[in-house]
Amino acid sequence: NAGVTQTPKFQVLKTGQSMTLQCAQDMNHNSMYWYRQDPGMGLRLIYYSASEGTTDKGEVPNGYNVSRLNKREFSLRLESAAPSQTSVYFCASSERQYNSPLHFGNGTRLTVT
Amino acid sequence: AQTVTQSQPEMSVQEAETVTLSCTYDTSENNYYLFWYKQPPSRQMILVIRQEAYKQQNATENRFSVNFQKAAKSFSLKISDSQLGDTAMYFCAFMKLVPGTYKYIFGTGTRLKVLA
Repeated sequence: NAGVTQTPKFQVLKTGQSMTLQCAQDMNHNSMYWYRQDPGMGLRLIYYSASEGTTDKGEVPNGYNVSRLNKREFSLRLESAAPSQTSVYFCASSERQYNSPLHFGNGTRLTVT
Repeated sequence: AQTVTQSQPEMSVQEAETVTLSCTYDTSENNYYLFWYKQPPSRQMILVIRQEAYKQQNATENRFSVNFQKAAKSFSLKISDSQLGDTAMYFCAFMKLVPGTYKYIFGTGTRLKVLA
């Protein structure tokens, strides 16, 4: 089982460039999430999607956009990358049930120079 | 707002010994779920254990157990018979209901090193 698949695994951008991080899950989960992980700050929620066609802001949405293309896919876009967006990005999904844990992808390490 | 606090940025333990990682949280809700995740150097996030706030009994998964104190809003993780493979970052997480789904709020993590 693939679970949650993120691409790419690594990326280097120059300030001002744009890119899209891709995420797909094959577990038929309704809810999907994007987190960023920074040293000393844990995982912070960027955006989430309760179901296909809906998205909501998390704690740190500025500078990002998302698209829930269908039930499987949830992409994160940086329109104009900034050095402050250097981070490790995780996509995750859950069943949207009371005791359901998050299932994570393997992360994308993004460096903005 | 819900917050999750892990007050120990780093800890170390000798192989085969027991270590406890602390986690406190703040919420006004009465029923919720709590989780511990492990992140080894591979960067993968792995679910270790979960606890429902309604259950008095502390959850246990093999060498991992929790000490859940609802009144104190404390959710510590105990690792018994520590192994080198337990070396990792450990994150505590709180699950809260929001319109249409759940959100998961994470602490800042504790880096655990198991020493040979």
